[in-house]
Amino acid sequence: KNEVEQSPQNLTAQEGEFITINCSYSVGISALHWLQQHPGGGIVSLFMLSSGKKKHGRLIATINIQEKHSSLHITASHPRDSAVYICAVSRRDDKIIFGKGTRLHILP
Amino acid sequence: DTAVSQTPKYLVTQMGNDKSIKCEQNLGHDTMYWYKQDSKKFLKIMFSYNNKELIINETVPNRFSPKSPDKAHLNLHINSLELGDSAVYFCASSQTSGGAYEQYFGPGTRLTVT
Repeated sequence: KNEVEQSPQNLTAQEGEFITINCSYSVGISALHWLQQHPGGGIVSLFMLSSGKKKHGRLIATINIQEKHSSLHITASHPRDSAVYICAVSRRDDKIIFGKGTRLHILP
Repeated sequence: DTAVSQTPKYLVTQMGNDKSIKCEQNLGHDTMYWYKQDSKKFLKIMFSYNNKELIINETVPNRFSPKSPDKAHLNLHINSLELGDSAVYFCASSQTSGGAYEQYFGPGTRLTVT
């Protein structure tokens, strides 16, 4: 079993819908990362969290350290949000472990 | 100005050849990484260097040899290429090691071994 599990694997939604992607992990971490990979292949860091909640535009990321769980929310989703969203954790030994990603498709 | 650059973007080569991928960052970061993304899009760390010193060396065949001539550069040399080496290789950097720093990714190098 992977140390980082994401759900759902695939998500299709209509433009405007509120989107939630979940990430659970089973190891001690120093930080959790949310990454976005566009169809063109480039990877961009969206958030890095070690506690609480962060917001950037329509994106919100939360983390619950006790429950070893994080969520990424997208409000008022748009077709340009279509991408693969990847959760990754930085373990305390400095290694970074990635989830398998959530493929999001927003229909106009 | 590109923050993290990789060359080449595409690399097609035959089994048994030796090839190199170069990575440069102009962010002044101390730590650089190599990641491999397989055909199922799963990312895995290969190596990490902090100030030219190897700090993470995952279970990677020793045909793969990273080299960091200075903290702005981290190159990946692959000997005796095999079909299973076909993947996208991403370089990344962060301010320093410890994991609790944002990662900045290069555009990736798509390696195809025939």
